[in-house]
Amino acid sequence: DIQMTQSPSTLSASVGDRVTITCRASQTISNWLAWYQQRPGKAPNLLIYKASNLASGVPSRFSGSGSGTEFTLTISNLQPDDFATYYCQQYNSYRTFGRGTKVEIK
Amino acid sequence: EVQLMESGGGLVQPGGSLRLSCAASGFTFSSYWMHWVRQTPEKGLVWVSRINTDGSSTRYADSVKGRFTISRDNAANTLYLEMNSLRAEDTAVYYCARDHAGEYYFDYWGQGALVTVSS
Repeated sequence: DIQMTQSPSTLSASVGDRVTITCRASQTISNWLAWYQQRPGKAPNLLIYKASNLASGVPSRFSGSGSGTEFTLTISNLQPDDFATYYCQQYNSYRTFGRGTKVEIK
Repeated sequence: EVQLMESGGGLVQPGGSLRLSCAASGFTFSSYWMHWVRQTPEKGLVWVSRINTDGSSTRYADSVKGRFTISRDNAANTLYLEMNSLRAEDTAVYYCARDHAGEYYFDYWGQGALVTVSS
């Protein structure tokens, strides 16, 4: 199975900050990577697919990049609604998720 | 508006059975592959199963193979997960999720159904 490792596991930031979350795959997955946001008690919500494509309705302050084994999710100008947990998911071979990065208020 | 609504969760004893349902609306259900994904604090998000548009093809995670059965009723716009021989480690929130164009990522999720396996 392809393992997905996210870092950091927790990130403290302030409104207006730019934050970056990293996701590494245990083997190459081309650009078959999605990012999700999950707020407490809610279902995950798709943000990015195919590593860098913004899902419908997602604000442009979210962006994704990377290919192969290393990927990043960047949130520029962090907003109050963005304090949540973020997950990456590979879909090159079956589907596996990272363990999540919690973005909390500093 | 796309909506997915799970039901059927609850408390069940080890070895017991439960059937989850997922009612879909706001899109042409019969045109989309569908999935079940579960979440626990210990293991995070884990894909469980998927079904193609007409139900003729299904896939399962090794951890549930032979115990869980995914199915769908396109006339009723409903996805199902039949869970048998339940174990404590099956305790989780179960989400149904829509597959985006057969690409194996999930563009819409239900609100989740809690399944607790305990004596």
